[in-house]
Amino acid sequence: DIQMTQSPSSLSASVGDRVTITCRASQSISNYLNWYQQKPGKAPKFLIYAASSLQSGVPSRFSGSGSGTDFTLTISSLQPEDFATYYCQQSYSNPRTFGQGTKVEIK
Amino acid sequence: QVQLQESGPGLVKPSETLSLTCIVSGDSMRNYYWSWIRQPPGKGLECIGYIYYSGSTTYNPSLESRVTISVDTSKNQFSLKLNSVTAADTAVYYCARHHYYGSVFSFDYWGQGTLVTVSS
Repeated sequence: DIQMTQSPSSLSASVGDRVTITCRASQSISNYLNWYQQKPGKAPKFLIYAASSLQSGVPSRFSGSGSGTDFTLTISSLQPEDFATYYCQQSYSNPRTFGQGTKVEIK
Repeated sequence: QVQLQESGPGLVKPSETLSLTCIVSGDSMRNYYWSWIRQPPGKGLECIGYIYYSGSTTYNPSLESRVTISVDTSKNQFSLKLNSVTAADTAVYYCARHHYYGSVFSFDYWGQGTLVTVSS
C-alpha cells in the first residue's frame, strides 16, 4: 500500500492567515492526488483533484501543488468556514489511501 | 445533483455480517464506479472497495477476505457486506461515487454516513 503522511497533524491559525498543509507519499504517485475537507459529523467534501485542479464551486483561496511524492494544500486567507480537517488521498494504485488528516483550528 | 444515502442496521453483533445499502439518486449509475469508505470514531478514512456499474469489483486487500460489494442498477443502489465483524469494524460507513477528474479518480459525491457499532 502507498502510505500518505500529512504534516502537521494539527495547526492553530487566525482568520486571514495563509495556511499550508503538506502531504507526502511513500512512493511516486505522479499527480494522482486529491484533497478533501471534513467538518465534524459530516462527510468529506471534495476540494482538489490531480494535485492542483480546483473542483467546481470550491473557493479560489484554496490551491494545491506538487507532483511525485510531495504535495501541498494552501489556503491563502483562512475564513471562518475553513476550520475543519483536511485529508489528502492517492488514486495512483489500489487500495486508495488517505493521509491521517490535518486539523485546522482557531487560534 | 447526485445524492447518496446509506441505510442499514446501526448495531451488529461480533462474528456476524454487517450489511449496508446505498441508494443513488439524481443520476444514472451507468459508467461510474461506486465505493464504500469507512472512518472509525476519531480516526482517518479507509477505502473498503469499489464496484463498476457493470459489476466488476476492487477491494482493499486488508479486507478482501471478508468483503462483498454488489450493485443493482435497476434499483439504483449498491451494497456492502462485511462478514465476521469485530469491534475494530466499528465505524462511520460512507458510500461515495468514484469518478475520473482530469484522468485522476476522485471521490466526488458522498453519502452522509451511517455509524455501525459492533457490540454484543
